[in-house]
Amino acid sequence: SQQGEEDPQALSIQEGENATMNCSYKTSINNLQWYRQNSGRGLVHLILIRSNEREKHSGRLRVTLDTSKKSSSLLITASRAADTASYFCAMVFSNDYKLSFGAGTTVTVRA
Amino acid sequence: EPEVTQTPSHQVTQMGQEVILRCVPISNHLYFYWYRQILGQKVEFLVSFYNNEISEKSEIFDDQFSVERPDGSNFTLKIRSTKLEDSAMYFCASSEGLAGSYEQYFGPGTRLTVT
Repeated sequence: SQQGEEDPQALSIQEGENATMNCSYKTSINNLQWYRQNSGRGLVHLILIRSNEREKHSGRLRVTLDTSKKSSSLLITASRAADTASYFCAMVFSNDYKLSFGAGTTVTVRA
Repeated sequence: EPEVTQTPSHQVTQMGQEVILRCVPISNHLYFYWYRQILGQKVEFLVSFYNNEISEKSEIFDDQFSVERPDGSNFTLKIRSTKLEDSAMYFCASSEGLAGSYEQYFGPGTRLTVT
Protein backbone atom coordinates (compact mmCIF):
# COMPACT_ATOMS: atom_id res chain seq x y z
CA SER A 1 0.00 0.00 0.00
CA GLN A 2 1.21 3.52 -0.74
CA GLN A 3 -0.54 4.95 2.27
CA GLY A 4 1.40 6.50 5.09
CA GLU A 5 2.07 5.07 8.46
CA GLU A 6 2.20 7.22 11.56
CA ASP A 7 3.82 6.76 14.88
CA PRO A 8 3.21 6.82 17.66
CA GLN A 9 -0.45 5.82 17.54
CA ALA A 10 -1.03 7.75 20.75
CA LEU A 11 0.88 10.32 22.72
CA SER A 12 0.17 11.80 26.14
CA ILE A 13 2.11 14.84 27.30
CA GLN A 14 1.97 17.55 29.92
CA GLU A 15 0.90 21.04 28.95
CA GLY A 16 3.95 23.04 27.93
CA GLU A 17 5.86 20.05 26.60
CA ASN A 18 6.58 19.44 22.94
CA ALA A 19 4.85 16.72 20.93
CA THR A 20 6.47 15.03 17.97
CA MET A 21 4.79 12.61 15.61
CA ASN A 22 6.16 10.92 12.53
CA CYS A 23 4.81 9.83 9.20
CA SER A 24 6.45 7.44 6.75
CA TYR A 25 5.48 6.48 3.23
CA LYS A 26 6.70 4.16 0.52
CA THR A 27 6.68 5.91 -2.86
CA SER A 28 7.56 9.39 -4.08
CA ILE A 29 5.25 12.28 -3.31
CA ASN A 30 4.25 15.64 -4.70
CA ASN A 31 3.41 17.00 -1.30
CA LEU A 32 2.49 16.00 2.21
CA GLN A 33 -0.17 17.71 4.28
CA TRP A 34 -0.89 17.58 7.99
CA TYR A 35 -4.41 17.80 9.40
CA ARG A 36 -5.90 18.00 12.87
CA GLN A 37 -9.19 16.38 13.85
CA ASN A 38 -10.90 17.03 17.13
CA SER A 39 -13.00 14.14 18.34
CA GLY A 40 -15.80 13.45 15.88
CA ARG A 41 -15.26 16.71 14.06
CA GLY A 42 -13.89 17.85 10.70
CA LEU A 43 -10.35 17.89 9.37
CA VAL A 44 -8.50 21.15 9.84
CA HIS A 45 -5.64 21.81 7.45
CA LEU A 46 -2.39 22.64 9.25
CA ILE A 47 0.54 22.68 6.85
CA LEU A 48 1.42 21.60 3.30
CA ILE A 49 5.05 20.78 2.57
CA ARG A 50 6.17 20.16 -0.99
CA SER A 51 8.61 17.48 -2.05
CA ASN A 52 11.33 20.07 -2.71
CA GLU A 53 10.96 21.62 0.75
CA ARG A 54 12.66 20.40 3.90
CA GLU A 55 11.02 22.37 6.68
CA LYS A 56 8.04 24.63 7.24
CA HIS A 57 6.74 26.51 10.22
CA SER A 58 3.34 27.80 11.19
CA GLY A 59 3.03 29.31 14.65
CA ARG A 60 3.89 26.57 17.14
CA LEU A 61 3.97 23.93 14.42
CA ARG A 62 7.09 22.74 12.64
CA VAL A 63 7.01 20.19 9.85
CA THR A 64 10.05 18.51 8.36
CA LEU A 65 10.28 16.34 5.28
CA ASP A 66 13.09 13.94 4.41
CA THR A 67 12.38 12.53 0.98
CA SER A 68 15.45 10.29 1.10
CA LYS A 69 13.99 8.53 4.15
CA LYS A 70 10.41 8.98 2.92
CA SER A 71 9.36 10.45 6.21
CA SER A 72 7.93 13.59 7.73
CA SER A 73 7.52 14.82 11.26
CA LEU A 74 5.17 17.27 12.94
CA LEU A 75 6.38 19.05 16.04
CA ILE A 76 4.00 20.98 18.27
CA THR A 77 5.92 23.19 20.65
CA ALA A 78 4.71 24.42 24.03
CA SER A 79 1.58 22.29 23.83
CA ARG A 80 -1.77 23.44 25.22
CA ALA A 81 -4.83 21.51 26.33
CA ALA A 82 -6.55 22.76 23.15
CA ASP A 83 -4.00 20.82 21.07
CA THR A 84 -5.65 17.59 22.22
CA ALA A 85 -6.76 15.99 18.95
CA SER A 86 -5.86 13.42 16.34
CA TYR A 87 -3.22 14.45 13.82
CA PHE A 88 -3.07 12.95 10.35
CA CYS A 89 -0.51 13.09 7.62
CA ALA A 90 -1.88 12.86 4.10
CA MET A 91 0.20 12.45 0.99
CA VAL A 92 -0.32 13.27 -2.64
CA PHE A 93 1.78 10.71 -4.44
CA SER A 94 3.53 11.49 -7.70
CA ASN A 95 1.19 11.16 -10.67
CA ASP A 96 -1.76 11.24 -8.32
CA TYR A 97 -4.30 13.88 -7.42
CA LYS A 98 -5.88 12.65 -4.22
CA LEU A 99 -4.88 12.57 -0.59
CA SER A 100 -3.86 9.27 0.98
CA PHE A 101 -4.17 9.45 4.74
CA GLY A 102 -2.22 7.83 7.50
CA ALA A 103 -3.93 6.26 10.48
CA GLY A 104 -3.24 9.26 12.70
CA THR A 105 -1.66 10.01 16.04
CA THR A 106 -3.94 10.75 18.98
CA VAL A 107 -2.41 13.45 21.14
CA THR A 108 -3.63 14.11 24.66
CA VAL A 109 -2.31 17.19 26.43
CA ARG A 110 -2.77 17.03 30.21
CA ALA A 111 -3.33 20.27 32.06
CA GLU B 1 -12.02 33.07 6.13
CA PRO B 2 -13.85 31.01 3.47
CA GLU B 3 -14.92 27.54 4.55
CA VAL B 4 -16.31 24.39 3.06
CA THR B 5 -19.77 23.76 4.48
CA GLN B 6 -21.73 20.52 4.58
CA THR B 7 -25.35 19.64 5.31
CA PRO B 8 -26.78 17.87 7.14
CA SER B 9 -24.35 17.38 10.00
CA HIS B 10 -26.00 14.06 10.85
CA GLN B 11 -28.22 11.86 8.69
CA VAL B 12 -29.95 8.72 9.88
CA THR B 13 -31.46 6.51 7.22
CA GLN B 14 -32.78 3.01 6.80
CA MET B 15 -30.97 0.42 4.75
CA GLY B 16 -32.01 0.60 1.11
CA GLN B 17 -32.94 4.27 1.21
CA GLU B 18 -31.34 6.96 -0.94
CA VAL B 19 -29.41 9.76 0.69
CA ILE B 20 -27.99 12.97 -0.69
CA LEU B 21 -25.17 14.68 1.13
CA ARG B 22 -24.61 18.31 0.31
CA CYS B 23 -21.51 20.45 0.23
CA VAL B 24 -20.74 24.03 -0.64
CA PRO B 25 -17.05 24.26 -1.59
CA ILE B 26 -14.97 27.39 -1.25
CA SER B 27 -16.15 29.72 -3.97
CA ASN B 28 -13.03 30.14 -6.10
CA HIS B 29 -12.00 26.49 -5.89
CA LEU B 30 -12.12 24.33 -8.97
CA TYR B 31 -11.50 20.80 -7.67
CA PHE B 32 -13.90 18.96 -5.42
CA TYR B 33 -13.59 15.75 -3.50
CA TRP B 34 -15.48 13.34 -1.28
CA TYR B 35 -13.77 11.26 1.37
CA ARG B 36 -15.17 9.07 4.08
CA GLN B 37 -14.02 7.88 7.46
CA ILE B 38 -15.54 4.79 9.00
CA LEU B 39 -15.42 5.03 12.78
CA GLY B 40 -11.93 4.26 14.04
CA GLN B 41 -10.47 3.87 10.55
CA LYS B 42 -8.43 5.93 8.12
CA VAL B 43 -9.89 8.66 5.96
CA GLU B 44 -10.48 7.14 2.52
CA PHE B 45 -10.74 8.84 -0.85
CA LEU B 46 -14.00 8.33 -2.75
CA VAL B 47 -14.02 10.62 -5.77
CA SER B 48 -12.61 13.78 -7.28
CA PHE B 49 -14.49 16.12 -9.59
CA TYR B 50 -13.31 18.81 -11.94
CA ASN B 51 -14.87 20.69 -14.83
CA ASN B 52 -18.22 18.98 -14.25
CA GLU B 53 -16.93 15.48 -14.49
CA ILE B 54 -15.37 12.81 -12.32
CA SER B 55 -11.59 12.91 -12.65
CA GLU B 56 -10.84 9.94 -10.41
CA LYS B 57 -12.76 7.49 -8.25
CA SER B 58 -11.80 4.75 -5.84
CA GLU B 59 -12.97 1.15 -5.71
CA ILE B 60 -15.38 2.18 -2.98
CA PHE B 61 -17.18 4.52 -5.37
CA ASP B 62 -19.31 1.91 -7.11
CA ASP B 63 -22.55 2.25 -9.07
CA GLN B 64 -24.45 3.06 -5.89
CA PHE B 65 -22.61 6.36 -5.62
CA SER B 66 -22.90 9.44 -7.79
CA VAL B 67 -21.80 13.05 -7.59
CA GLU B 68 -23.22 16.17 -9.09
CA ARG B 69 -22.64 19.87 -9.20
CA PRO B 70 -26.21 20.97 -9.87
CA ASP B 71 -25.48 24.69 -9.80
CA GLY B 72 -22.55 27.04 -9.34
CA SER B 73 -22.19 26.44 -5.65
CA ASN B 74 -23.38 23.01 -4.47
CA PHE B 75 -21.62 19.68 -4.79
CA THR B 76 -23.58 16.59 -3.84
CA LEU B 77 -22.90 12.95 -3.11
CA LYS B 78 -25.79 10.55 -3.64
CA ILE B 79 -25.94 7.02 -2.35
CA ARG B 80 -28.75 5.26 -4.16
CA SER B 81 -29.46 2.33 -1.88
CA THR B 82 -27.65 2.58 1.41
CA LYS B 83 -26.07 -0.39 3.15
CA LEU B 84 -25.12 -0.80 6.79
CA GLU B 85 -21.46 -0.55 5.82
CA ASP B 86 -22.03 2.92 4.34
CA SER B 87 -22.26 4.24 7.90
CA ALA B 88 -19.38 6.68 8.18
CA MET B 89 -18.40 10.30 8.36
CA TYR B 90 -18.42 11.78 4.87
CA PHE B 91 -16.15 14.72 4.18
CA CYS B 92 -16.30 17.09 1.26
CA ALA B 93 -13.11 18.93 0.31
CA SER B 94 -12.11 21.49 -2.26
CA SER B 95 -8.89 22.90 -3.63
CA GLU B 96 -7.95 25.83 -5.77
CA GLY B 97 -5.86 23.71 -8.10
CA LEU B 98 -4.58 20.21 -8.59
CA ALA B 99 -3.89 18.30 -5.39
CA GLY B 100 -0.27 17.94 -6.36
CA SER B 101 0.33 21.59 -5.59
CA TYR B 102 -2.57 22.92 -3.55
CA GLU B 103 -4.05 22.40 -0.13
CA GLN B 104 -7.32 20.56 0.19
CA TYR B 105 -9.74 22.16 2.62
CA PHE B 106 -12.29 19.95 4.29
CA GLY B 107 -15.81 20.57 5.49
CA PRO B 108 -17.01 19.57 8.97
CA GLY B 109 -18.45 16.31 7.67
CA THR B 110 -21.81 14.57 7.58
CA ARG B 111 -22.20 11.63 9.91
CA LEU B 112 -24.28 9.04 8.06
CA THR B 113 -25.88 6.31 10.14
CA VAL B 114 -27.58 3.49 8.26
CA THR B 115 -29.90 1.34 10.38
